[in-house]
Amino acid sequence: EPEVTQTPSHQVTQMGQEVILRCVPISNHLYFYWYRQILGQKVEFLVSFYNNEISEKSEIFDDQFSVERPDGSNFTLKIRSTKLEDSAMYFCASSDLSSYNSPLHFGNGTRLTVT
Amino acid sequence: QQPVQSPQAVILREGEDAVINCSSSKALYSVHWYRQKHGEAPVFLMILLKGGEQKGHEKISASFNEKKQQSSLYLTASQLSYSGTYFCGTLDKGSGGGADGLTFGKGTHLIIQP
Repeated sequence: EPEVTQTPSHQVTQMGQEVILRCVPISNHLYFYWYRQILGQKVEFLVSFYNNEISEKSEIFDDQFSVERPDGSNFTLKIRSTKLEDSAMYFCASSDLSSYNSPLHFGNGTRLTVT
Repeated sequence: QQPVQSPQAVILREGEDAVINCSSSKALYSVHWYRQKHGEAPVFLMILLKGGEQKGHEKISASFNEKKQQSSLYLTASQLSYSGTYFCGTLDKGSGGGADGLTFGKGTHLIIQP
C-alpha cells in the first residue's frame, strides 16, 4: 500500500537555525497538509496546499514557516528561525480528494527538537 | 474552533464497550475519526458525511448527528489492539471548503486491559 514518507525521522537543531522537513506524499494525491503535535497533546493543523498554492493556514503558521512543492514529488516545510516552542512531532499528510470526503494519510512524522 | 471530545480517557477490560463523543460549535461538512498509537502516526478509521449517517466495520462504528453537530464512535467488545488515542477531525462549514485541513479534538485515550 502506498505510503507518505517523511525525512528525517528526528532532527535536532539549535534555536535560531533553519530547518527543512521533507515529505513525499502518495503519488496520485492532490492535497497536502502539515500538522504538528507537541508531545502528549492534540494534532494541530498548520497548513494545507492544493494546486501549487497554500489553501489554508492556521495562526501557528506565521512568517517563520513556509511550504514548497519543488519538484512534483516532494513537499517541504521550512522553519526559518526555530524557537524552543517549535519542538514537536511534525506530520505530513496527503489525500486524493478534498478532506470533505477523503481520508488523510499521515506519514510517520519528524520529531523536531530545538535546543 | 476545535471540536470537543469526551471523555478524555477511558480504561476498559477486554470485551467491554466504549463510546467516544465529539461535538462542535459549528455546522460541519464532515467528521473524520483517527486512532493514534503511541509514537506512531494517526491512522484513518472512517469519515461521516451526512447527518444521520452511520458507518462501521467489524466492531468499530460511528454516527453523525448533523443537527446537533455531534459524532460518536462506538467500540464494542474491545480488543487489546484498540488501545490508543482516538481523535475526531472536523471540517466545518465556515471553512473555505475541501482543500482546508481538518481541525482535531484533543483526543480520547483508550486503555484496554486484559
